[in-house]
Amino acid sequence: EIVLTQSPGTLSLSPGERATLSCRASQSVSSSYLAWYQQKPGQAPRLLIYGASSRATGIPDRFSGSGSGTDFTLTISRLEPEDFAVYYCQQYGSSPTFGQGTKVEIK
Amino acid sequence: QITLKESGPTLVKPTQTLTLTCTFSGFSLSTSGVGVGWIRQPPGKALEWLALIYWDDDKRYSPSLKSRLTITKDTSKNQVVLTMTNMDPVDTATYYCAHRLLWWNWFDPWGQGTLVTVSS
Repeated sequence: EIVLTQSPGTLSLSPGERATLSCRASQSVSSSYLAWYQQKPGQAPRLLIYGASSRATGIPDRFSGSGSGTDFTLTISRLEPEDFAVYYCQQYGSSPTFGQGTKVEIK
Repeated sequence: QITLKESGPTLVKPTQTLTLTCTFSGFSLSTSGVGVGWIRQPPGKALEWLALIYWDDDKRYSPSLKSRLTITKDTSKNQVVLTMTNMDPVDTATYYCAHRLLWWNWFDPWGQGTLVTVSS
């Protein structure tokens, strides 16, 4: 099973700042198998990024994904108030697994 | 528009069997390539994939929970059912169902989730 480790656990930032979230895999993951989700309190996860760098339908272009192999990054260029949430990465190898999440909170 | 909604008991006792139903609309599980998965999330914790079923009745399970899980579909009712045996308090979680296509490596969209508490 591929283990995904996200860092940091919590990111304290102000609106307008740039957020950089990391997702590291225990073994190499094909870029096409890496996705990112956003989850707000009391809500289901929402797909943000698939294939490591493709934005899902309706996702603003301030969200971007990058990376390959074992290191992937989600970047939010300028935080909007609605972006404060928990973000999860997910890989789809033989069995899907998720990272433990990064909480982006208001500083 | 694709929607999914989970239903089932909110409280189960330890050792009991949990049965959850995912009722969906906007797609058919008789269409080639379509799948529905189950994912759970204990309170304040991360997401954990449980099971998947495809249009051709191919079934996949989490290796760590495989012995306790059964996933089935009723195409005529647009429903997918997940059963989990021998429930334990550590199985307390919000259980989500989600749509997947065979050539997708992600889940989208997800149902709203249903919280299941395991307690005597």
